[in-house]
Amino acid sequence: QKEVEQDPGPLSVPEGAIVSLNCTYSNSAFQYFMWYRQYSRKGPELLMYTYSSGNKEDGRFTAQVDKSSKYISLFIRDSQPSDSATYLCAMSEGAQKLVFGQGTRLTINP
Amino acid sequence: DGGITQSPKYLFRKEGQNVTLSCEQNLNHDAMYWYRQDPGQGLRLIYYSQIVNDFQKGDIAEGYSVSREKKESFPLTVTSAQKNPTAFYLCASSISAANQPQHFGDGTRLSIL
Repeated sequence: QKEVEQDPGPLSVPEGAIVSLNCTYSNSAFQYFMWYRQYSRKGPELLMYTYSSGNKEDGRFTAQVDKSSKYISLFIRDSQPSDSATYLCAMSEGAQKLVFGQGTRLTINP
Repeated sequence: DGGITQSPKYLFRKEGQNVTLSCEQNLNHDAMYWYRQDPGQGLRLIYYSQIVNDFQKGDIAEGYSVSREKKESFPLTVTSAQKNPTAFYLCASSISAANQPQHFGDGTRLSIL
């Protein structure tokens, strides 16, 4: 079993929809949770960085962490075609080593 | 413009050949990392370095080597011992050791001739 599980998709939604992306994990020592967006043939770009449980909002993006369920989510409101990318969750215990999900490929259709 | 520069964007390796991928950052970050990305497998850590002249193996270090002689530079050599080198290689850096988010370059795609 992988430490971090992420549905690879692909996920296709119409423009303007609310998108929900999720990851589950098995290591209860994870404390730091990140979401990265990766466009084709580019490096991942940090979207959200959260510590422990709770919600964090930044513009159209909301990250949620539920440590009791070992489940994290990223919500995208008013989705745009420019949001079409692969979204990677990542998490760590606090040391350098990040553990990544395999990424979810998202397409927003105009 | 501050950032992480990886070169070349595309690289081809012949059998038995070592190749070196360049990673330079001007963010004044202490820590640097190398990851390998394969389709359907996410990112896997190859090596990381917290400070100059020090580095540690990640999960898949076999067949790779690194050096950290300068704070700004963390080159990765893919040796002939790496039998399946075709992948997208990503370099990242962070401000310091623990608890800081990592920022990535735009990668080098390595293929076998």
